[in-house]
Amino acid sequence: DTGVSQDPRHKITKRGQNVTFRCDPISEHNRLYWYRQTLGQGPEFLTYFQNEAQLEKSRLLSDRFSAERPKGSFSTLEIQRTEQGDSAMYLCASGRSGNTIYFGEGSWLTVV
Amino acid sequence: AQTVTQSQPEMSVQEAETVTLSCTYDTSESDYYLFWYKQPPSRQMILVIRQEAYKQQNATENRFSVNFQKAAKSFSLKISDSQLGDAAMYFCAYRSAVAYGGSQGNLIFGKGTKLSVKP
Repeated sequence: DTGVSQDPRHKITKRGQNVTFRCDPISEHNRLYWYRQTLGQGPEFLTYFQNEAQLEKSRLLSDRFSAERPKGSFSTLEIQRTEQGDSAMYLCASGRSGNTIYFGEGSWLTVV
Repeated sequence: AQTVTQSQPEMSVQEAETVTLSCTYDTSESDYYLFWYKQPPSRQMILVIRQEAYKQQNATENRFSVNFQKAAKSFSLKISDSQLGDAAMYFCAYRSAVAYGGSQGNLIFGKGTKLSVKP
């Protein structure tokens, strides 16, 4: 069991640059979630995929954010024209219908 | 909309003692799941325990147990025989068991309780 893996673990970028995070879910999981977590807060839901279909997006996900899961396996989360307010940890999680959701270790983003 | 409230930002317990973390939630649904997740300083979120709302019996996992009061919408976590490795942020989370409007059960988290364990 390789668990949910995320890459990169840490990213420092200048304001205005684009960044992309990758998530590899547990292989048999059809559902994949992206969350954002800032210091001292619980994770906030961003978006959700069932297989390759993006079924739900939070209002937190502005037009600068886009997520894909092209083959129903790994997923990418891209942030365009980053802003300092985007600094957070981006968590990926996966699960199967009705079952527990498992989290990756997260990708830390710092926008300077 | 569902909400989850953890009223204790920080808690402290002596090693080998017992501590209870509180969680309340608000929902109009009757079918749902509740979870406690642990997030150690390394930051990976780890599932501690899970409770199905239709089950009256409280879930137990080794030293961890819950007190699930459905009518009161309360879901507290009890940690017995606390160990240094239990020190972490603990998050209570809610997940709907009913799919509607495209929502497929994403987790709604509380703000967390930071647990310190004193040797």
